[in-house]
Amino acid sequence: QSALAQPASVSGSPGQSVTISCTGTTNDIGGNSYVSWSQHHPHKAPRLVIYDVDKRPSGVSDRFSGSKSGNTASLTISGLQPEDAADYYCTSSTISNTVLFGTGTALTVL
Amino acid sequence: QVQLQESGPGLVKPSETLSLTCSVSGGPLRSSYFYWGWVRQPPGRGLEWIGSVFHSGYSYTNPALRSRVTVSGDTSKNQFSLRLISVTAADTAIYYCARWGGPGSGNYFDSWGQGILVTVSS
Repeated sequence: QSALAQPASVSGSPGQSVTISCTGTTNDIGGNSYVSWSQHHPHKAPRLVIYDVDKRPSGVSDRFSGSKSGNTASLTISGLQPEDAADYYCTSSTISNTVLFGTGTALTVL
Repeated sequence: QVQLQESGPGLVKPSETLSLTCSVSGGPLRSSYFYWGWVRQPPGRGLEWIGSVFHSGYSYTNPALRSRVTVSGDTSKNQFSLRLISVTAADTAIYYCARWGGPGSGNYFDSWGQGILVTVSS
């Protein structure tokens, strides 16, 4: 199983929006609606920000939104804030009932 | 709010067995809705799912690691464990424990530990 493909890095200025893509295959992203996204800050416990493609856990800002088209899922962060700078990973279920992570994207807030 | 905390040795010798424990507080391991899993991140690299276990003992494991991995739970202690045999330097990583909603509609990790660095070296 190959990791889901994400851009290595994205950047944006405070107040702007950025979108992070996550591309898989019909065996994972394209075959289900169970994509999630997590936020990872160094030396902190990771945090779930999106699940089931476009649902937000309680307490997560509505500046975070998710979507999916075909084999590609996307995470959009609007109104960028400095604290959004982190690594972001997508996750998908597979047809084999296993878990695939994305390659990870480093978000820089300029 | 459930909290998870990893514990175990930070240094393991090559060919030996890596054993980690995750202590769960704020919620029962014996949940009908959640699995309990392990994820790792080698230095400078991305995340890799290792495996997840239900309180009944049923588990899912990464096929690439299946021959070396055991994930198990102890509901009496509210803990679950990872055992990885025959380790090499490639197993050096930060190891996270996390709560997993399960395959399909539960495929998300909604609570994570802070992670523990395990180095494989003689």
